[in-house]
Amino acid sequence: DTEVTQTPKHLVMGMTNKKSLKCEQHMGHRAMYWYKQKAKKPPELMFVYSYEKLSINESVPSRFSPECPNSSLLNLHLHALQPEDSALYLCASSQDPTDSDYEQYFGPGTRLTVT
Amino acid sequence: AQKITQTQPGMFVQEKEAVTLDCTYDTSDQSYGLFWYKQPSSGEMIFLIYQGSYDEQNATEGRYSLNFQKARKSANLVISASQLGDSAMYFCAMRGYSTLTFGKGTMLLVSP
Repeated sequence: DTEVTQTPKHLVMGMTNKKSLKCEQHMGHRAMYWYKQKAKKPPELMFVYSYEKLSINESVPSRFSPECPNSSLLNLHLHALQPEDSALYLCASSQDPTDSDYEQYFGPGTRLTVT
Repeated sequence: AQKITQTQPGMFVQEKEAVTLDCTYDTSDQSYGLFWYKQPSSGEMIFLIYQGSYDEQNATEGRYSLNFQKARKSANLVISASQLGDSAMYFCAMRGYSTLTFGKGTMLLVSP
């Protein structure tokens, strides 16, 4: 099973709302990632979790708060977002956090619209 | 720092023909991985093919092959016998120690 699942598929939220994005993988991967992707642009790395610990934060604003409750789950908590945060949010996982031979498997993404 | 360059914003190909998508890279790492991903309009990033920096043979996966020229730092994707379902954005990416660096992508359109 090489599947990464993400919920919800679509999310519309106001600037005062609090919501969460969820990501799950059951491949035994030890690294999980959050990316943000704007239309017609490549994905931009936000966070990396390695063995359930946050290892990379690409200077992401504090209104985005990641959480890794266990090795299979990754959450992204959202609060006080801005309209420019509207984007496709992709979750990914890979077998080894540091080995360049391993591909990242991506989920289908959550399309977020902030109104 | 790693850098991936895809110079073709868009490519057109007729069904059943072959097409080459260009990718050049720059890195100071001795060991690295090169990947190609396909992203249809639905948004999901689909892994296509991988080439390790120490692999001497070009990678192949079905209709996909990677033309790896290490000295020229290029890793072009060749799609043989294009199909209508191949219409999508294609990203070349490089993996170093921990992160994945993407190129800007090439939009491929396959016409009947």
